Order: sequence, then structure tokens, then C-alpha cells
Amino acid sequence: QVQLVQSGAEVKKPGASVKVSCKASGYTFTGYYMHWVRQAPGQGLEWMGWINPNSGGTNYAQKFQGRVTMTRDTSISTAYMELSRLRSDDTAVYYCARVMGWLRPGGDFDYWGQGTLVTVSS
Amino acid sequence: QAGLTQPPSVSKGLRQTATLTCTGNSNNVGNQGAAWLQQHQGHPPKLLSYRNNNRPSGISERLSASRSGNTASLTITGLQPEDEADYYCSAWDSSLSARVFGGGTKLTVL
Repeated sequence: QVQLVQSGAEVKKPGASVKVSCKASGYTFTGYYMHWVRQAPGQGLEWMGWINPNSGGTNYAQKFQGRVTMTRDTSISTAYMELSRLRSDDTAVYYCARVMGWLRPGGDFDYWGQGTLVTVSS
Repeated sequence: QAGLTQPPSVSKGLRQTATLTCTGNSNNVGNQGAAWLQQHQGHPPKLLSYRNNNRPSGISERLSASRSGNTASLTITGLQPEDEADYYCSAWDSSLSARVFGGGTKLTVL
């Protein structure tokens, strides 16, 4: 069965970087785009961008351009999201989400990781 | 980036019917259709419906989705206590090349 397992919670100081991992299993990792979505405490969902696990190509939301980097390691079926120059308002749960449909960047998300809480505090 | 518009809250009685709405524009809901997600407190979102009215396997037949122009709707019949959750709509915006979300609707089952 399809599973997305994310890395554990992180506490970071303002100005630092955080790298969250998302290990996929149960399907062909390189065949499905992976998106990243975050949710601040008590708030809604916010799209951050996607990575094509096959080519490594990326597309980031304008808000995060220059601060976010999405990568993948196909040998271990894992996607990564790194956010730099952290601020207090980056405190959120970060999710990876798989797109349904073979190599479709803009499709709907059928599987989600369990989420990773990133807390930014001095 | 512009998002989709959802009412913040809806309250209905047990076994009643709730209809949640989501309004976008011709570049997102009107063009690509919308997906609906359910989120219980402390859990990741769960896909309920995609491309407006397709249900993934395992999703209750009490849920149905539709679209009229730039507005998508999710109807839940025979409301149960477990339906109490936050519901989000989502769509791909072809002009922004970005995924957009609604702000979410908190459904309360009285």
C-alpha cells in the first residue's frame, strides 16, 4: 500500500534552515509528482511547490521562491523540502502529498504524509 | 496567490444534509474542477473527491460533489458525528501554475 512517512518534529531558531524528508513506499516513486503543503497552527492549507521525482524539476510558489529547495533521492524513494532563513511565522506542520496520475504535475493529491511540525523560536 | 472562497463554518443536525461551497474562477475551479479534502484535528487531510465528483475507493456514498461554473459543492447526507471536521477545496490554477486552496469550512454536527 502507498505510504508517505515524514521525518520527525524540528525546533529551529530564526534565520536557520530546516530540511524535511518524505519517504515513499508502495509505488513507483519516479512516476508521481510530489507536492509540499504547510499548515500554520489553527490555519488553512498553503501550497509550497512540487518536484518531479523523475527529472528533479521543480516549481515553487512565488511566496517561497528564493527560500525553498525541493530535492529527491531516487535510490531511497525520498523527497526533501528545505526552507531557509526561517522566521517565526514559518512555524507550521509541513506535509508532502502525492499527485494522483502518472507524471501529472497539477493533479489532485491522493496520499499525504503524516506531517512534520517545524517550530521556529528563539 | 489568490485562493478559493469557502464559508468559515456550517452547522447542521444529526442525520441532516450539509452542502459546502467553494468559489474560484475560470482559471481554477471553472477550468480544472475541484477536489475536496477532509481533515480531523491532528491528522493530515484526506481526499474525499477529485475532479469534482469522483470518489476514491472507501469514501462513503453519503458524500457527493458537483460543479456549476466557477463554484464547486460537496454534499454530505445523513450527517454523522464523525463527519464533524474541517473541509477544504483545492484546485490547480492554470494561470498561476499553482495549486490553490480554500480557507476551509468547519462543519459542526449538532
